[in-house]
Amino acid sequence: QKEVEQNSGPLSVPEGAIASLNCTYSDRGSQSFFWYRQYSGKSPELIMFIYSNGDKEDGRFTAQLNKASQYVSLLIRDSQPSDSATYLCAVNRGSQGNLIFGKGTKLSVKP
Amino acid sequence: GAVVSQHPSWVICKSGTSVKIECRSLDFQATTMFWYRQFPKQSLMLMATSNEGSKATYEQGVEKDKFLINHASLTLSTLTVTSAHPEDSSFYICSASTASSGNTIYFGEGSWLTVV
Repeated sequence: QKEVEQNSGPLSVPEGAIASLNCTYSDRGSQSFFWYRQYSGKSPELIMFIYSNGDKEDGRFTAQLNKASQYVSLLIRDSQPSDSATYLCAVNRGSQGNLIFGKGTKLSVKP
Repeated sequence: GAVVSQHPSWVICKSGTSVKIECRSLDFQATTMFWYRQFPKQSLMLMATSNEGSKATYEQGVEKDKFLINHASLTLSTLTVTSAHPEDSSFYICSASTASSGNTIYFGEGSWLTVV
């Protein structure tokens, strides 16, 4: 089983809709979880991180964590064409902060 | 947020030569830096963890003699791809963490390496 799994997509949503991105992880001892956005040919940029079970909201983004189910998700409200990118889920597997990444989900927001 | 700078952004080299990529934390001290490699349409793969003043820790399958990592100061880590071959062509990305931000990882801009 891969450590961090994501549906590769592409996930296509119309402009203004809610995009839901999902991620599961295998290491039950994982403590922190990150969502990064990566545009083609560019380096990943941090969207948000979450440590505790439940929801964490930041603007149009909401991260949801369920440690019992080993599941983390990212919701993007009022999706914009500029949100079209690959979204990477990452899990911190150690105290030094080395992240394990999923393969990413490609999101396409259609005008 | 924290800034991590990488140089060069892209480089083309001949097969058999060596290439050095620099990663700098511009506004914080990074005791730990990470080097990733990403092939087209693939995920980021952690290559090694670089600790200031000590030897890097390499992930399984990564040749430490081919990918030399030096973390000489709290703001600079370098990755040298030695005797590069076309299959080493990839997007190399460094990142650094800072304890003041809960060990959140910040990425450099990445370096495109093409070996011809």
